[in-house]
Parts: sequence; C-alpha cells; structure tokens
Amino acid sequence: EAGVVQSPRYKIIEKKQPVAFWCNPISGHNTLYWYLQNLGQGPELLIRYENEEAVDDSQLPKDRFSAERLKGVDSTLKIQPAELGDSAVYLCASSRGTSGRIQEQFFGPGTRLTVL
Amino acid sequence: EDQVTQSPEALRLQEGESSSLNCSYTVSGLRGLFWYRQDPGKGPEFLFTLYSAGEEKEKERLKATLTKKESFLHITAPKPEDSATYLCAVQASGAGSYQLTFGKGTKLSVIP
Repeated sequence: EAGVVQSPRYKIIEKKQPVAFWCNPISGHNTLYWYLQNLGQGPELLIRYENEEAVDDSQLPKDRFSAERLKGVDSTLKIQPAELGDSAVYLCASSRGTSGRIQEQFFGPGTRLTVL
Repeated sequence: EDQVTQSPEALRLQEGESSSLNCSYTVSGLRGLFWYRQDPGKGPEFLFTLYSAGEEKEKERLKATLTKKESFLHITAPKPEDSATYLCAVQASGAGSYQLTFGKGTKLSVIP
C-alpha cells in the first residue's frame, strides 16, 4: 500500500512570495490533515478535511493560508504571501476514520519550507 | 485543554542499554494514545495505539504501556537504528472529537 505522498520535499522562497504544497493521501482514506511542525515541537493541526469538506479550519491563519481538496482526494495548501515565521515543515496526514472514531493517522514525509 | 508532556527531552543510550520514555497526559476522557517514531527529515511513522489503562503492545524491541495518567515506551536492548525522535499523542473521547494533541517528543540516540 502506497503511503501519503507530498511534494515538493523542500522549498526555499523569498518573503512575500506565494508557495503551494501538494498532498496525495493513502487510497481509501477519506480524512486528510495538514499539520505544521516547528523544530523541536510536535505537529500542530492547521486544517482537517472529511472528503472534500473542511470540517475544522479554526487553526488556519486565513489571512494568508488557504487550502482545498478537490474531489475529496488530493489536497493543496497555499501561503500567500509567505512571511519569515512560516519557515517550518508542513506535514500531510490521512486516516480512514471520521469524527468520533479512533484516528490512526499516517503521515507523509513533509515539505520543509524556508522563507528568506 | 488537552496536554501532553514527554520526558526526557533527549536520551543517550549505549547499544544494549534498556530504558523507558515517558508520556504524561491530561485529557477529558481518552479515546486513544498514540506513539510515533520520527526520523530526521521524515514524517512521523505510526507505531502503536493504546486504548485503555493496563493495555500493552509490543513491536520488536519496543513495548508501550498505558495507565490513567501516563504511557511508557520501553526500549529493550536498543540498537543504533532505534535512534529517532519518539512522539506521543492523545485523542480525546467525545462524539465530535478527532484532533490529536502531540507532545514535543523525546530524541533518542543509541551509541554503538
């Protein structure tokens, strides 16, 4: 079974530039998550999708971050414009469960973003 | 608010020297506690799910246990390839609950 796929793996941009990250979840997993992980910290949830619906985006900074999950499969996370403090690893995860059920989440390799 | 505290922050072991990592948690009802392993430059890799106090799970040299307030990850006779950061996360119970709250992790180094 193929795992969660993310691209690019690394991205270096100048501040104020836009950037986008792509995620393909494990086949059959209807729930998709985007996390942010700073150095020395655990992942922090940004947004969660059940199928194509964003059921929780309360922790997504909506002034500059946006996300979409077309057709309930692949997802894209965008930052526009990027700021220095956005430098971090952006992780995508997926799970088979829905709200109220156990959530064994499987993570992709992440995209390491550096904003100069 | 759900909280997860992992200790120690870093641990250096000689190859073959067994030890334990600790995960203390505060949650309003536990649906599940998860252990992940994360290698540098990679995403967290799922290891175990524990559901209730008294439960234990094993995988090779790793054994996870759960009480009502904490979980331990026991590493028996570790090898250098066990070097990684180990993350603990909890999911609260409740009809609409889904979010995982992660600790900061314990960075394990196993020296040959």
